[in-house]
Amino acid sequence: ETGVTQTPRHLVMGMTNKKSLKCEQHLGHNAMYWYKQSAKKPLELMFVYNFKEQTENNSVPSRFSPECPNSSHLFLHLHTLQPEDSALYLCASSQGGTLNTEAFFGQGTRLTVV
Amino acid sequence: AQSVTQLGSHVSVSEGALVLLRCNYSSSVPPYLFWYVQYPNQGLQLLLKYTSAATLVKGINGFEAEFKKSETSFHLTKPSAHMRDAAEYFCAVSDQGTGRRALTFGSGTRLQVQP
Repeated sequence: ETGVTQTPRHLVMGMTNKKSLKCEQHLGHNAMYWYKQSAKKPLELMFVYNFKEQTENNSVPSRFSPECPNSSHLFLHLHTLQPEDSALYLCASSQGGTLNTEAFFGQGTRLTVV
Repeated sequence: AQSVTQLGSHVSVSEGALVLLRCNYSSSVPPYLFWYVQYPNQGLQLLLKYTSAATLVKGINGFEAEFKKSETSFHLTKPSAHMRDAAEYFCAVSDQGTGRRALTFGSGTRLQVQP
Protein backbone atom coordinates (compact mmCIF):
# COMPACT_ATOMS: atom_id res chain seq x y z
CA GLU A 1 0.00 0.00 0.00
CA THR A 2 1.70 3.18 -1.16
CA GLY A 3 -1.02 5.65 -0.28
CA VAL A 4 -1.79 6.22 -3.96
CA THR A 5 -4.63 4.14 -5.35
CA GLN A 6 -5.44 3.78 -9.02
CA THR A 7 -8.57 2.26 -10.51
CA PRO A 8 -9.15 0.26 -12.52
CA ARG A 9 -6.00 -1.85 -12.57
CA HIS A 10 -6.77 -3.14 -16.03
CA LEU A 11 -8.85 -1.64 -18.80
CA VAL A 12 -9.62 -2.80 -22.31
CA MET A 13 -11.38 -0.31 -24.51
CA GLY A 14 -12.31 0.11 -28.13
CA MET A 15 -11.13 3.07 -30.13
CA THR A 16 -14.57 4.69 -30.02
CA ASN A 17 -15.12 4.23 -26.29
CA LYS A 18 -14.90 6.83 -23.56
CA LYS A 19 -13.44 5.80 -20.24
CA SER A 20 -11.78 7.38 -17.24
CA LEU A 21 -8.86 6.46 -15.04
CA LYS A 22 -9.01 7.44 -11.41
CA CYS A 23 -6.24 8.20 -8.94
CA GLU A 24 -6.63 8.97 -5.26
CA GLN A 25 -3.91 9.80 -2.78
CA HIS A 26 -4.21 9.65 1.01
CA LEU A 27 -0.86 11.28 1.78
CA GLY A 28 -1.87 14.91 2.07
CA HIS A 29 0.21 15.83 -0.97
CA ASN A 30 -0.57 18.81 -3.13
CA ALA A 31 1.09 17.82 -6.40
CA MET A 32 -0.16 15.02 -8.64
CA TYR A 33 1.10 13.59 -11.90
CA TRP A 34 0.18 11.32 -14.76
CA TYR A 35 2.93 9.30 -16.41
CA LYS A 36 2.73 6.96 -19.38
CA GLN A 37 4.93 3.87 -19.46
CA SER A 38 5.17 2.08 -22.79
CA ALA A 39 7.23 -0.97 -23.57
CA LYS A 40 10.84 -0.14 -24.45
CA LYS A 41 10.36 3.59 -23.81
CA PRO A 42 11.25 5.78 -20.84
CA LEU A 43 8.57 6.99 -18.50
CA GLU A 44 6.81 9.92 -20.12
CA LEU A 45 5.44 12.69 -17.98
CA MET A 46 2.01 13.69 -19.26
CA PHE A 47 0.47 16.17 -16.84
CA VAL A 48 1.33 17.93 -13.59
CA TYR A 49 -1.10 19.47 -11.14
CA ASN A 50 -0.17 21.65 -8.19
CA PHE A 51 -2.90 22.64 -5.78
CA LYS A 52 -5.50 21.50 -8.35
CA GLU A 53 -4.05 23.72 -11.07
CA GLN A 54 -2.49 22.20 -14.16
CA THR A 55 1.09 23.39 -14.37
CA GLU A 56 2.43 21.14 -17.06
CA ASN A 57 1.09 19.47 -20.20
CA ASN A 58 3.80 17.77 -22.19
CA SER A 59 2.25 17.99 -25.64
CA VAL A 60 -0.25 15.30 -24.83
CA PRO A 61 -2.90 14.67 -27.52
CA SER A 62 -6.31 16.06 -26.72
CA ARG A 63 -7.81 12.59 -26.63
CA PHE A 64 -6.34 12.52 -23.10
CA SER A 65 -8.11 14.96 -20.82
CA PRO A 66 -7.04 15.31 -17.18
CA GLU A 67 -9.17 16.56 -14.33
CA CYS A 68 -8.15 17.43 -10.80
CA PRO A 69 -11.19 18.34 -8.69
CA ASN A 70 -9.17 18.54 -5.48
CA SER A 71 -5.66 17.81 -4.24
CA SER A 72 -6.53 14.20 -3.43
CA HIS A 73 -8.08 13.13 -6.71
CA LEU A 74 -6.87 13.02 -10.27
CA PHE A 75 -8.65 11.67 -13.31
CA LEU A 76 -7.60 10.95 -16.85
CA HIS A 77 -10.50 10.96 -19.28
CA LEU A 78 -9.95 8.95 -22.42
CA HIS A 79 -11.77 9.14 -25.75
CA THR A 80 -11.14 7.96 -29.30
CA LEU A 81 -7.82 6.42 -28.36
CA GLN A 82 -5.44 4.71 -30.74
CA PRO A 83 -3.82 1.29 -30.34
CA GLU A 84 -0.47 2.99 -29.71
CA ASP A 85 -1.98 4.49 -26.57
CA SER A 86 -1.90 1.05 -24.99
CA ALA A 87 0.44 1.35 -22.01
CA LEU A 88 0.70 1.38 -18.25
CA TYR A 89 -0.58 4.70 -16.91
CA LEU A 90 0.92 5.67 -13.61
CA CYS A 91 -0.32 8.28 -11.21
CA ALA A 92 1.99 9.83 -8.65
CA SER A 93 1.85 12.45 -5.93
CA SER A 94 4.37 14.46 -3.99
CA GLN A 95 4.58 17.17 -1.39
CA GLY A 96 4.95 20.48 -3.14
CA GLY A 97 7.19 23.30 -2.06
CA THR A 98 10.55 21.59 -2.22
CA LEU A 99 12.30 19.61 -4.90
CA ASN A 100 13.99 17.08 -2.67
CA THR A 101 10.84 15.15 -1.95
CA GLU A 102 10.14 11.94 -3.74
CA ALA A 103 7.07 11.04 -5.73
CA PHE A 104 4.83 8.23 -4.54
CA PHE A 105 3.35 6.07 -7.26
CA GLY A 106 0.19 4.09 -7.61
CA GLN A 107 0.23 0.59 -9.05
CA GLY A 108 -0.90 1.81 -12.43
CA THR A 109 -3.69 1.08 -14.86
CA ARG A 110 -2.80 -1.29 -17.66
CA LEU A 111 -4.69 0.06 -20.68
CA THR A 112 -5.23 -1.92 -23.85
CA VAL A 113 -6.85 -0.21 -26.83
CA VAL A 114 -8.36 -2.59 -29.35
CA ALA B 1 17.11 20.84 -18.31
CA GLN B 2 18.53 18.08 -16.19
CA SER B 3 18.60 14.50 -17.40
CA VAL B 4 19.83 11.08 -16.38
CA THR B 5 21.38 8.32 -18.43
CA GLN B 6 21.29 4.71 -17.35
CA LEU B 7 23.98 2.62 -18.96
CA GLY B 8 22.81 -0.87 -19.80
CA SER B 9 19.16 -1.63 -20.36
CA HIS B 10 19.69 -5.18 -19.05
CA VAL B 11 22.02 -6.44 -16.35
CA SER B 12 22.31 -10.09 -15.34
CA VAL B 13 24.06 -11.28 -12.19
CA SER B 14 24.24 -14.51 -10.26
CA GLU B 15 22.56 -14.84 -6.91
CA GLY B 16 25.00 -13.64 -4.26
CA ALA B 17 27.01 -11.50 -6.69
CA LEU B 18 27.51 -7.76 -6.55
CA VAL B 19 24.85 -5.64 -8.19
CA LEU B 20 25.98 -2.44 -9.94
CA LEU B 21 23.49 -0.34 -11.86
CA ARG B 22 24.85 2.80 -13.46
CA CYS B 23 23.33 6.25 -13.57
CA ASN B 24 24.92 9.46 -14.82
CA TYR B 25 23.28 12.83 -14.67
CA SER B 26 23.70 16.09 -16.49
CA SER B 27 23.10 19.17 -14.44
CA SER B 28 24.20 22.75 -14.19
CA VAL B 29 23.17 22.93 -10.54
CA PRO B 30 23.45 20.40 -7.70
CA PRO B 31 20.79 17.79 -8.38
CA TYR B 32 18.46 15.80 -6.25
CA LEU B 33 18.67 12.18 -7.36
CA PHE B 34 16.47 9.18 -6.78
CA TRP B 35 16.45 5.46 -7.44
CA TYR B 36 13.17 3.62 -7.88
CA VAL B 37 12.37 -0.06 -8.35
CA GLN B 38 9.47 -1.48 -10.31
CA TYR B 39 8.32 -5.08 -9.95
CA PRO B 40 6.18 -6.62 -12.71
CA ASN B 41 2.76 -5.02 -13.05
CA GLN B 42 3.44 -2.66 -10.18
CA GLY B 43 4.10 1.02 -9.75
CA LEU B 44 7.44 2.51 -8.82
CA GLN B 45 8.76 2.26 -5.29
CA LEU B 46 11.44 4.54 -3.89
CA LEU B 47 14.69 2.78 -3.01
CA LEU B 48 16.71 5.80 -1.91
CA LYS B 49 17.36 9.47 -2.59
CA TYR B 50 20.24 11.92 -2.53
CA THR B 51 19.41 15.39 -1.28
CA SER B 52 22.87 16.90 -0.75
CA ALA B 53 23.51 15.55 2.71
CA ALA B 54 25.72 12.43 2.87
CA THR B 55 27.15 11.35 -0.47
CA LEU B 56 26.69 7.69 0.38
CA VAL B 57 23.00 6.98 0.66
CA LYS B 58 21.55 3.80 2.09
CA GLY B 59 18.16 2.61 0.99
CA ILE B 60 15.78 -0.24 1.46
CA ASN B 61 16.44 -3.90 0.67
CA GLY B 62 20.19 -3.52 1.19
CA PHE B 63 20.77 -1.10 -1.68
CA GLU B 64 22.95 1.96 -1.53
CA ALA B 65 24.18 4.60 -3.93
CA GLU B 66 27.06 7.03 -3.93
CA PHE B 67 26.87 10.54 -5.31
CA LYS B 68 30.10 11.45 -7.11
CA LYS B 69 30.09 15.00 -8.34
CA SER B 70 33.40 14.65 -10.19
CA GLU B 71 31.97 11.80 -12.23
CA THR B 72 28.38 13.12 -12.36
CA SER B 73 27.31 9.67 -11.27
CA PHE B 74 24.88 8.10 -8.83
CA HIS B 75 25.39 4.37 -9.26
CA LEU B 76 23.26 1.88 -7.35
CA THR B 77 24.91 -1.08 -5.66
CA LYS B 78 24.08 -4.07 -3.52
CA PRO B 79 26.78 -6.41 -2.19
CA SER B 80 24.84 -9.63 -2.69
CA ALA B 81 21.97 -10.12 -5.09
CA HIS B 82 18.84 -12.04 -4.16
CA MET B 83 16.33 -13.58 -6.52
CA ARG B 84 13.74 -11.13 -5.23
CA ASP B 85 15.85 -8.23 -6.54
CA ALA B 86 14.89 -9.11 -10.11
CA ALA B 87 13.01 -6.02 -11.28
CA GLU B 88 13.43 -2.85 -13.27
CA TYR B 89 15.34 0.01 -11.72
CA PHE B 90 14.98 3.67 -12.59
CA CYS B 91 17.21 6.60 -11.80
CA ALA B 92 15.50 10.00 -11.61
CA VAL B 93 16.40 13.64 -11.11
CA SER B 94 14.47 16.71 -10.06
CA ASP B 95 15.23 19.87 -11.95
CA GLN B 96 16.51 22.50 -9.56
CA GLY B 97 17.57 24.68 -12.43
CA THR B 98 14.02 25.39 -13.48
CA GLY B 99 12.28 24.49 -10.27
CA ARG B 100 10.29 21.92 -12.19
CA ARG B 101 8.84 19.61 -9.59
CA ALA B 102 8.20 16.53 -11.70
CA LEU B 103 10.94 13.95 -11.80
CA THR B 104 12.75 13.12 -15.01
CA PHE B 105 13.46 9.41 -15.31
CA GLY B 106 16.13 7.43 -17.03
CA SER B 107 15.18 4.68 -19.43
CA GLY B 108 15.52 1.98 -16.80
CA THR B 109 17.71 -1.08 -16.24
CA ARG B 110 16.19 -4.51 -15.99
CA LEU B 111 18.03 -6.62 -13.44
CA GLN B 112 17.99 -10.37 -13.89
CA VAL B 113 19.25 -12.60 -11.09
CA GLN B 114 20.37 -16.08 -12.04
CA PRO B 115 20.19 -18.92 -9.48
